Amino acid sequence: AQSVTQLDSQVPVFEEAPVELRCNYSSSVSVYLFWYVQYPNQGLQLLLKYLSGSTLVKGINGFEAEFNKSQTSFHLRKPSVHISDTAEYFCAVSGYGGANNLFFGTGTRLTVIP
Amino acid sequence: DAGVIQSPRHEVTEMGQEVTLRCKPISGHDYLFWYRQTMMRGLELLIYFNNNVPIDDSGMPEDRFSAKMPNASFSTLKIQPSEPRDSAVYFCASSFSEHQYNEQFFGPGTRLTVL
Repeated sequence: AQSVTQLDSQVPVFEEAPVELRCNYSSSVSVYLFWYVQYPNQGLQLLLKYLSGSTLVKGINGFEAEFNKSQTSFHLRKPSVHISDTAEYFCAVSGYGGANNLFFGTGTRLTVIP
Repeated sequence: DAGVIQSPRHEVTEMGQEVTLRCKPISGHDYLFWYRQTMMRGLELLIYFNNNVPIDDSGMPEDRFSAKMPNASFSTLKIQPSEPRDSAVYFCASSFSEHQYNEQFFGPGTRLTVL
């Protein structure tokens, strides 16, 4: 089975500052990795995904994430955040060849301070 | 495509009443998932279906919860009788097994309040 750990439950950051949201995963098989974003009172939207190939993945709204197999990490980064980035961010993992279920982390609440 | 559709968007009911949440997955998707989100427990997978058949219901909290998928375009999550601790946002998601990466598409959720 797979699991995900998001160590930071809350991350406050000033507007236009860089941010990194951490995600570590555990799996006995090769994985697909995802970041989802949830804006207030909305469902989850896919931000970006890693399937294979280049370890640096670019997503929507200027976010990117880097897959690091040796450290089993998939940290999310943005060089300059905006007020509109205030949301909950979820990291998720799925194993190759398994059922289509995803294993979600507990989420990180990003608050951008003006 | 309209995406995953859930109804109602908000439901307020009294303890002991039956509650039925509805979901229409994206056309052509063969997996359907029900999640519950609370402040205390985060996002929890309740049950998921493949080709209308329940595959794993180990996340269903207790016998008061039941889920059905009578056809490929409709699923229900029923709580009977409801209790205040069932108050949460319930999400439905769907995915397509032919996609190699298992991406799930989420509905907007149903916010349930049990008084």
